[in-house]
Amino acid sequence: EVQLVESGGGLVQPGRSLKLSCAASGFTYSNYVMAWVRQAPTKGLEWVASISTGGGNTYYRDSVKGRFTISRDNAKNTLYLQIDSLRSEDTATYYCAKDIWFAYWGQGTLVTVSS
Amino acid sequence: DIQMTQSPASLSASLGETISIECRASEDIYSNLAWYQQKSGKSPQLLIYAANRLQDGVPSRFSGSGSGTQYSLKISGMQPEDEGDYFCLQGSKFPNTFGAGTKLELK
Repeated sequence: EVQLVESGGGLVQPGRSLKLSCAASGFTYSNYVMAWVRQAPTKGLEWVASISTGGGNTYYRDSVKGRFTISRDNAKNTLYLQIDSLRSEDTATYYCAKDIWFAYWGQGTLVTVSS
Repeated sequence: DIQMTQSPASLSASLGETISIECRASEDIYSNLAWYQQKSGKSPQLLIYAANRLQDGVPSRFSGSGSGTQYSLKISGMQPEDEGDYFCLQGSKFPNTFGAGTKLELK
C-alpha cells in the first residue's frame, strides 16, 4: 500500500525557515517523480515544486523560486522541502504527491506563518 | 503560465443524476489533464489521468473526455459519497496549474 507521511509543519514567524519531510513507503520510491502541492485555508490547490527521480532536475513555481528547495534522499525514501524567508502567503497545508499525475497524496502538514 | 478555467464553481445534483464538470485550458495541453476529488478535511484523490484514463479503484461511473483545450469529467449517476470538491490539473507544462474547483453537493 502506498503511504506518504508528511511532517515538519508548524507555526513560524515571517522570515524564518522550516524544513518539511515526506516519508514514502509501499512503492519503489526512486523510480518516481515527486512533488509538493499546497492548499491555503479554504482555497484551491497550488503546485509548488517537483523533482526528478534522481534529484538532478527540480522545478518551482515562480513565487517560491529562490526561497524553497525541493530535494530527495532515495536511500531513505524521503522527500524534503526546505522553506526559507517564509511569508504570510505561504500559510497552507503542504502535501507531498507521487508521480507526474499526483496519483497518491499524503495527509498534509500545516504551515502557519504569523508573528 | 497555462490558465485552467473550471466550471461550474458549484453544482447541486440529485441522486442518480448525471453531471459534468468542464475545464478549459488557455492553450493546447495535449491530454495532459487529471481530475481529483477532495472530500472535506481530506487529501485529494486522483480520479482520471491522461484526460480519460480511470485510476485504479475509482468507480466506473466516473469518466473523462476531451482534447486540445477542452476537457470534462462526467459522473454517471450521482451517489452520496460523490459530494466534495473537484479539481482539474494540467500537467503539460510547468508550472502545473489547477482549476479553481467545483463544489458538488447532493440535492
